[in-house]
Amino acid sequence: EDQVTQSPEALRLQEGESSSLNCSYTVSGLRGLFWYRQDPGKGPEFLFTLYSAGEEKEKERLKATLTKKESFLHITAPKPEDSATYLCAVLTQGGSEKLVFGKGTKLTVNP
Amino acid sequence: EAQVTQNPRYLITVTGKKLTVTCSQNMNHEYMSWYRQDPGLGLRQIYYSMNVEVTDKGDVPEGYKVSRKEKRNFPLILESPSPNQTSLYFCASSSGRGRTQYFGPGTRLTVL
Repeated sequence: EDQVTQSPEALRLQEGESSSLNCSYTVSGLRGLFWYRQDPGKGPEFLFTLYSAGEEKEKERLKATLTKKESFLHITAPKPEDSATYLCAVLTQGGSEKLVFGKGTKLTVNP
Repeated sequence: EAQVTQNPRYLITVTGKKLTVTCSQNMNHEYMSWYRQDPGLGLRQIYYSMNVEVTDKGDVPEGYKVSRKEKRNFPLILESPSPNQTSLYFCASSSGRGRTQYFGPGTRLTVL
């Protein structure tokens, strides 16, 4: 069964304190890995798509990387406005185009 | 502005009263899907559609129906809602296989 595990479940950082979120996956065949940001009560907001091991994408203070078994979302010098839940999802083999989501990492950045 | 819209955003109803949640996208996307999000369970796919008149079940389709008569719209129908369908619902769309899915703002449904 396809599985996505995110760690930690929750993370508290001080403003400016860099860290990384982990997404490990066990899937039958990876067609893509997606990172989303979700604010309370709102829809997931797309951040990055990664398609192959070794790929990296960067946007402002965020950088996503991908290996054959996991992905990392690195946050450099975070600000309070980066506080949100970060979701990882994988797209696997099969016709449904179903995203298999992890349960997310809730990030809190204190000023 | 490219977006996925859902209506209503909030709905409180009673058991057995049929309801429809609408979803519309203005990006000419072929693929659309419905997910529900529950605490501790994450996001799970309910139904999806690869194109007009082509729909299929996701992981949790029981108690739901969908239709895709136009490319831009993909309504979710609950013919006889029950309390276990209380959840946060999201519609998503993408331009095709393997492409990024963009999500709507969500519909919070409470069934009493």
